Amino acid sequence: DIQMTQSPSSLSASVGHRVTITCRASQSISSYLNWYQQKSGKAPKVLIFGASILQSGVPSRFSGSGSGTDFTLTISSLQPEDFATYYCQQSYSTPYTFGQGTKLEI
Amino acid sequence: EVQLVASGGGLVQPGGSLRLSCAASGFTFSTYDMHWVRQAAGKGLEWVSGIGTDGDTYYPDSVKGRFAVSRENDKNSLYLQMNSLRAEDTAVYYCARQSERIIMVRGAYNSYTWFDPWGQGILVTVSS
Repeated sequence: DIQMTQSPSSLSASVGHRVTITCRASQSISSYLNWYQQKSGKAPKVLIFGASILQSGVPSRFSGSGSGTDFTLTISSLQPEDFATYYCQQSYSTPYTFGQGTKLEI
Repeated sequence: EVQLVASGGGLVQPGGSLRLSCAASGFTFSTYDMHWVRQAAGKGLEWVSGIGTDGDTYYPDSVKGRFAVSRENDKNSLYLQMNSLRAEDTAVYYCARQSERIIMVRGAYNSYTWFDPWGQGILVTVSS
């Protein structure tokens, strides 16, 4: 199975700041990497697929990069609604696996 | 509007069985792969099953042999039959549609897939 490791596990930041979350795969997954945002008590919502392709309707302050084993999610200027937990997920092969999550707090 | 609504959760004793359902609407259900993903309280996301449009099924080792995913296209419904339930199966279970985009990268077509949308989640509690 492909292991996905996110860092940090939690992160405190302020509105307007830039933040970066990293995700590392235990083997190369090319660009088959998705990022999700989950708010408390809600289902996850996809932000980025294919490592860097912004899902329709997602604000442009979100961006993704990377390929192979190392990936990043960047939020260029934090907004109050961005405080949530973020997960990466590999879609390269089954079993599909997620990172452990990064909780972004004020 | 694309919508997934899960039902069938509840309290079950260890070793028991439960069947979850997911009603789909707003899209042509038969043309999409579908999945179940779970989340234990305060924990991360775990993919637990997938079913293709052709009926092929996929599971991680943690549930293989105990869980069975199925679909009824004429009813726009997805199911998860869970047997031999354990305390560690306690979680919120989400059904999700697999979305796909095919993109040409350096002369080759790549098929990118992701889970979207997700249902509202249904709680399964395994406890005596």
